[in-house]
Amino acid sequence: QPVLTQSPSASASLGASVKLTCTLSSGHSSYAIAWHQQQPEKGPRYLMKLNNDGSHIKGDGIPDRFLGSSSGAERYLTISSLQSEDEADYYCQTWGSDSMVFGGGTRLTVL
Amino acid sequence: QVQLQESGPGLVKPSQTLSLTCTVSGGSISSGSYYWSWIRQPAGKGLEWIGRIYSSGSTNYNPSLKSRVTISVDTSKNQFSLKLSSVTAADTAVYYCARDQGLDVWGQGTAVTVSS
Repeated sequence: QPVLTQSPSASASLGASVKLTCTLSSGHSSYAIAWHQQQPEKGPRYLMKLNNDGSHIKGDGIPDRFLGSSSGAERYLTISSLQSEDEADYYCQTWGSDSMVFGGGTRLTVL
Repeated sequence: QVQLQESGPGLVKPSQTLSLTCTVSGGSISSGSYYWSWIRQPAGKGLEWIGRIYSSGSTNYNPSLKSRVTISVDTSKNQFSLKLSSVTAADTAVYYCARDQGLDVWGQGTAVTVSS
């Protein structure tokens, strides 16, 4: 079963860009993941499914400012032109034949 | 578009069984090849996958909860359900239902407190 590792926190300035990382455990670098956003006091929202080749499928209404990419066992979420409403927890998540797992989440602060 | 809505008691006594239902609207739960999952989140903590049911009816559970969890589906009502037995305060959380492996559709969540 894969393990997903995320940094607990990140910060960037309003209008800037930030790149969040989700790392798949050894032996699981081919796995697709999904990114989810959870704004304060709200439920999670699906952002995108991200494959190991970097191709991704975004959810309805997700702005072009949100971009996914991959390199080896790393999966990235880049958010450009940061807005105040991007301040949130970001979770990566993956699945296997009989299980599903979440990363610990990254809390993004917009300065 | 498909929408999910959780429902069930907001308060459950210790040692009892927590029962929640997720109603699917905007589409049939039995159309397509989808997984339907339950996820929970204790206050101030991260997301924890509880388990899922496939459109065929097969289930998978989080090993840490497997002995206490049952997920079932009622296609006639377009619903799937969660039962978690022998609950303790540690099961207090917001419970979410979601669709498919990538969890591309989420319910809004329902808060459950385990307390006497």
